[in-house]
Amino acid sequence: DTEVTQTPKHLVMGMTNKKSLKCEQHMGHRAMYWYKQKAKKPPELMFVYSYEKLSINESVPSRFSPECPNSSLLNLHLHALQPEDSALYLCASSQGAALPTNEKLFFGSGTQLSVL
Amino acid sequence: ILNVEQSPQSLHVQEGDSTNFTCSFPSSNFYALHWYRWETAKSPEALFVMTLNGDEKKKGRISATLNTKEGYSYLYIKGSQPEDSATYLCAFTTGNQFYFGTGTSLTVIP
Repeated sequence: DTEVTQTPKHLVMGMTNKKSLKCEQHMGHRAMYWYKQKAKKPPELMFVYSYEKLSINESVPSRFSPECPNSSLLNLHLHALQPEDSALYLCASSQGAALPTNEKLFFGSGTQLSVL
Repeated sequence: ILNVEQSPQSLHVQEGDSTNFTCSFPSSNFYALHWYRWETAKSPEALFVMTLNGDEKKKGRISATLNTKEGYSYLYIKGSQPEDSATYLCAFTTGNQFYFGTGTSLTVIP
């Protein structure tokens, strides 16, 4: 199984809602990543977990809250988002410890989020 | 934030043509250079990870070269096929940073 599975594929939420994005991999990878991509821009790194511990937080606003309950699962909890947070949210994993890495990242297909 | 630039932004080629595009990155604090292929509505898929100056990698009709001293990598596709149509992203890693370029969108016309 070389898949990274993200759910949901699409999400529409209001600014007062609380929702969660889920990411799962069963490749035994020990590093997991959240990226945000706005249209026509490169993916931007948000968070990195290495061995289930948060190792990098790229100054992301607290309305985004990551969680890594176990080595296979990564969540992104969303609360009080703004319309400008609308984007594609990508999850990825890699085999060993996190950055710096010369290992390939395996990506999910993303969650397209719209904040109204 | 470091700039990783890819050129051209988009490219249309005829089936059977060979093509290449460029990824430019800062030459200092280099750790690795990644290439990914991203088809519409699918997940980005890793093509290559290169770490050494002068590295060359090949996967079928696709190959890549790396020059860390001058800060660039080339991706080549030989005999383009319609199924090669995708966005090709490079990513530069240094220390605890991982920067993607904006990608080159390739369309292969049958």
